[in-house]
Amino acid sequence: QSVLTQPPSASGTPGQRVTISCSGSNSNIGSNSVNWYQQLPGAAPKLLIHSGNQRPSGVPDRFSGSRSGTSASLAISGLQSEDEADYYCAAWDDSLNGWVFGGGTKLTVL
Amino acid sequence: QVQLVESGGGVVQPGGSLRLSCAASGFTFSSYAMHWVRQTPGKGLEWVAVVSYDGGNKYYADSVKGRFTISRDNSKSTLYLQLNSLRAEDTAVYFCAREDIVVVGTAVDAWFDPWGQGTLVTVSS
Repeated sequence: QSVLTQPPSASGTPGQRVTISCSGSNSNIGSNSVNWYQQLPGAAPKLLIHSGNQRPSGVPDRFSGSRSGTSASLAISGLQSEDEADYYCAAWDDSLNGWVFGGGTKLTVL
Repeated sequence: QVQLVESGGGVVQPGGSLRLSCAASGFTFSSYAMHWVRQTPGKGLEWVAVVSYDGGNKYYADSVKGRFTISRDNSKSTLYLQLNSLRAEDTAVYFCAREDIVVVGTAVDAWFDPWGQGTLVTVSS
């Protein structure tokens, strides 16, 4: 059971906007920034969003992150078939003194 | 091109040992903290351990503390993970990842980028 809670699945049609939530607590999301990783089938995770809402070079601006209290969200607008992947949130946890991940959300593009 | 390449995975019996390696290239390895993260088959990600840029500080997840040892050789740009007293639940793909940071005022934001392709460890009799 993961420390951060994500919905196991999400879906949308091409062009739609979808959001993926990540719920934590005061010791992780409530006090530290959240990162998001994308894992395509059979591949290693890839950084998608860091510091809550910062996109690394090469990541389309269709991807955005936000945080409110002890929850964070990843939004994907203009959904494309190549966005079909697993998405993970992560944050440092001050109580556990370690990094914690969400259980992952499998995004299906219908 | 920044690259991390893991090796050393394989099949080992419960109670056995294994050493994983992660060869880094394309960046100044000795300037970055490095992590190991694992992913159980069909499941999510679990942070395992971190070592500071100079090897002086090491931290572990409770699930591996006392059994796994993280280390690095900056002269070889290589990260290691020694896995001892292995259990069935340690079966996973093990990824190494570089820690990148930015200092914002008094706060430090950190993240993992890039990740290696992973090496599979299977603990089975």
